[in-house]
Amino acid sequence: RKEVEQDPGPFNVPEGATVAFNCTYSNSASQSFFWYRQDCRKEPKLLMSVYSSGNEDGRFTAQLNRASQYISLLIRDSKLSDSATYLCVVNFQENRDDKIIFGKGTRLHILP
Amino acid sequence: DAGVIQSPRHEVTEMGQEVTLRCKPISGHDYLFWYRQTMMRGLELLIYFNNNVPIDDSGMPEDRFSAKMPNASFSTLKIQPSEPRDSAVYFCASSTSGAYNEQFFGPGTRLTVL
Repeated sequence: RKEVEQDPGPFNVPEGATVAFNCTYSNSASQSFFWYRQDCRKEPKLLMSVYSSGNEDGRFTAQLNRASQYISLLIRDSKLSDSATYLCVVNFQENRDDKIIFGKGTRLHILP
Repeated sequence: DAGVIQSPRHEVTEMGQEVTLRCKPISGHDYLFWYRQTMMRGLELLIYFNNNVPIDDSGMPEDRFSAKMPNASFSTLKIQPSEPRDSAVYFCASSTSGAYNEQFFGPGTRLTVL
């Protein structure tokens, strides 16, 4: 099983719709989680951290399910500008070193 | 702040040549990361530094790759000799508090090895 897995998509979603995607991880000792957004031919940028209790930032909601080892991202009232690739990031310690594992990303296309 | 600065932005070279990628982290950030991104493998962490000291280089693919951070404001990633399979986008990122805080990425260097 890969350490971090994401559905590559693409998800083609009409503007205004709600879309959600998940990211599963294999290391149960994972400690921190993030969602990054990457536009075409650009660098990744932090979208939001994922907290154990779940967190919301405007139209975006991130949740963590430790029992099933996945994180999720929900986008409500999607905008054309939400079209991008969304990367999940999982961190854990291994031999006292921080391991940072990025998923390969989920491509999202918002359709007008 | 100018953000993370990388140079060159594009590099085209021939197999066997030495390639040096450069990175200037955000001032005050004590962690620096080097990543490689390809379609097949996604974004992979190659090595990271804390206070200019390499902490984990387990992601460096082989001995042809080396990275240095001689001071807090400069790092290099060197490939010698380069091979076509090294073609990728190489990102540098910096942060405070390592993996548990936001990483700020540079614009990347798009490397093509012919």
